[in-house]
Amino acid sequence: NAGVTQTPKFRVLKTGQSMTLLCAQDMNHEYMYWYRQDPGMGLRLIHYSVGEGTTAKGEVPDGYNVSRLKKQNFLLGLESAAPSQTSVYFCASRPPIPSDTQYFGPGTRLTVL
Amino acid sequence: ELKVEQNPLFLSMQEGKNYTIYCNYSTTSDRLYWYRQDPGKSLESLFVLLSNGAVKQEGRLMASLDTKARLSTLHITAAVHDLSATYFCAGRGLNSGYALNFGKGTSLLVTP
Repeated sequence: NAGVTQTPKFRVLKTGQSMTLLCAQDMNHEYMYWYRQDPGMGLRLIHYSVGEGTTAKGEVPDGYNVSRLKKQNFLLGLESAAPSQTSVYFCASRPPIPSDTQYFGPGTRLTVL
Repeated sequence: ELKVEQNPLFLSMQEGKNYTIYCNYSTTSDRLYWYRQDPGKSLESLFVLLSNGAVKQEGRLMASLDTKARLSTLHITAAVHDLSATYFCAGRGLNSGYALNFGKGTSLLVTP
């Protein structure tokens, strides 16, 4: 049971390049989330999914797209990276309500030059 | 929209001292979470507080919740260096798929 994993762990992009971050969970969770963490800002919700095939916008969705084609995977895409997207990205998943626990992945550190 | 505010944002304290971190939230949150984060690491769950008056303790850390005041506290007793980390509180809103709304974090440094 690997929990929540994220690929890659680190990445450096140039402005305008694209990339996809992969989040995978092996706990059969319905709910999955992408957050970004910036210094002094805490974690902010980018997009979330309440089940396979569904996605929705969070607090800071601009510049990102997501897909949930398989229940275990939640992909975060940057079509044209900008320096403002330099951040640490965390994926999380959770079992259905009324469970209280949210499980976080190890994070992806992204730098956009 | 649920807003979460923590204070202080930075805290330097001596070993052996006591201190409290405060977490205020703006609207109804059906859960209140406390997490710890070490530099370069992910978030480690410390406490989940479910109801008014809830109190949970683990080692030198004790968390409490007052839903009427929309206030949670994280009390540190007799601090030790190993407690140096960033502590986040988070509320769980009723929208956004029960995602968490985080405070900005309290960076704690415990010195000899």
